[in-house]
Amino acid sequence: KAGVTQTPRYLIKTRGQQVTLSCSPISGHRSVSWYQQTPGQGLQFLFEYFSETQRNKGNFPGRFSGRQFSNSRSEMNVSTLELGDSALYLCASSAGQGTYGYTFGSGTRLTVV
Amino acid sequence: QQQVKQSPQSLIVQKGGISIINCAYENTAFDYFPWYQQFPGKGPALLIAIRPDVSEKKEGRFTISFNKSAKQFSLHIMDSQPGDSATYFCAASRMDSNYQLIWGAGTKLIIKP
Repeated sequence: KAGVTQTPRYLIKTRGQQVTLSCSPISGHRSVSWYQQTPGQGLQFLFEYFSETQRNKGNFPGRFSGRQFSNSRSEMNVSTLELGDSALYLCASSAGQGTYGYTFGSGTRLTVV
Repeated sequence: QQQVKQSPQSLIVQKGGISIINCAYENTAFDYFPWYQQFPGKGPALLIAIRPDVSEKKEGRFTISFNKSAKQFSLHIMDSQPGDSATYFCAASRMDSNYQLIWGAGTKLIIKP
């Protein structure tokens, strides 16, 4: 059973640009959550999608957005990149309804210069 | 009330010793308490989890102790090995919040050979 796949693994962008990150969940998993991880900040929750609907949202500015497709794959977009957006972006999937616990991907390391 | 407080922030233990990481929560509605282990460059991976109806759960060298009245739970790593060096996160979740995980800040564990 394939795990959670995140692409790309590494990304370098310039301040002001926008970026799109992709996440393919475990087959059969309908919930996808996104996290930002920076040194000293732990895991900061961005948002969660379940069956193509945003179900939960963290405290991030509107520059951060996401979506989920009918096959449960999810994308996260960050517009007008700032230096402070440099982080490891993690995607996690779960079966959703009535289940606990997530399986994480290895993340996308975004560097904004 | 949604917070999960984790301590210590960092921990150094000699090989063969016992590593202990503590977490405390306020919301008594939490009903699932997992621990995740994260190695550098990887996403967190579920290590062990407990429900509040049991006071202890053991899997190999890893044990969760749960104190419902004190609203605390801890991870014990027996016979700690250099390969256990990683960052550990505790978390809490509840059914009526769509199982969204509330995370502790993480503990960086170093096992000295």
